[in-house]
Amino acid sequence: EAGVVQSPRYKIIEKKQPVAFWCNPISGHNTLYWYRQNLGQGPELLIRYENEEAVDDSQLPKDRFSAERLKGVDSTLKIQPAELGDSAVYLCASSTRTGAPEAFFGQGTRLTVV
Amino acid sequence: AQSVTQPDIHITVSEGASLELRCNYSYGATPYLFWYVQSPGQGLQLLLKYFSGDTLVQGIKGFEAEFKRSQSSFNLRKPSVHWSDAAEYFCAVGAGSGNTPLVFGKGTRLSVIA
Repeated sequence: EAGVVQSPRYKIIEKKQPVAFWCNPISGHNTLYWYRQNLGQGPELLIRYENEEAVDDSQLPKDRFSAERLKGVDSTLKIQPAELGDSAVYLCASSTRTGAPEAFFGQGTRLTVV
Repeated sequence: AQSVTQPDIHITVSEGASLELRCNYSYGATPYLFWYVQSPGQGLQLLLKYFSGDTLVQGIKGFEAEFKRSQSSFNLRKPSVHWSDAAEYFCAVGAGSGNTPLVFGKGTRLSVIA
């Protein structure tokens, strides 16, 4: 079984530029999460999808961040414009709807804003 | 809302020595508890999980954890550490059923010396 796939692995951009991250969850997983992990910290939830519906986006900075999950499978997370403080690792995770909230994580995208 | 505290930011142990990483959680009901490991530049890998039943759970790579409700703790242990165990370890708590997102602690960095 393939795991959660994220791309790109690394991204360096100048501030004020846009950037997008892509995530392909485990096949059959209805729930998809985007987390942000700042240096030396644990992951923090940005947004959670149930199929194509964003059911928890309270922590997503909506002035510059946007996300979509077309057809309830792949997802993209976008930042426009990026700020220096957005430098972090962006992790995508997925899980099944039934049972306990065990999440499977991708390798993450390390974003550096210069 | 649930929360997790990992009191130790950094721990150094000698190869072959035993290990215990501490985790305390806050949640009003029976939680779902997890330990994840993150190697440099990698995503999070699930080590073990507690949902219910036996309070001592076994995981991968020789790790185990014990759920103690009276102490609101879920400490991770390993009897003999290997150099390859050097990584960042995260405790996480999930609430209720379905896919409520995990809340992570800030992590404990483990260094292993010869």
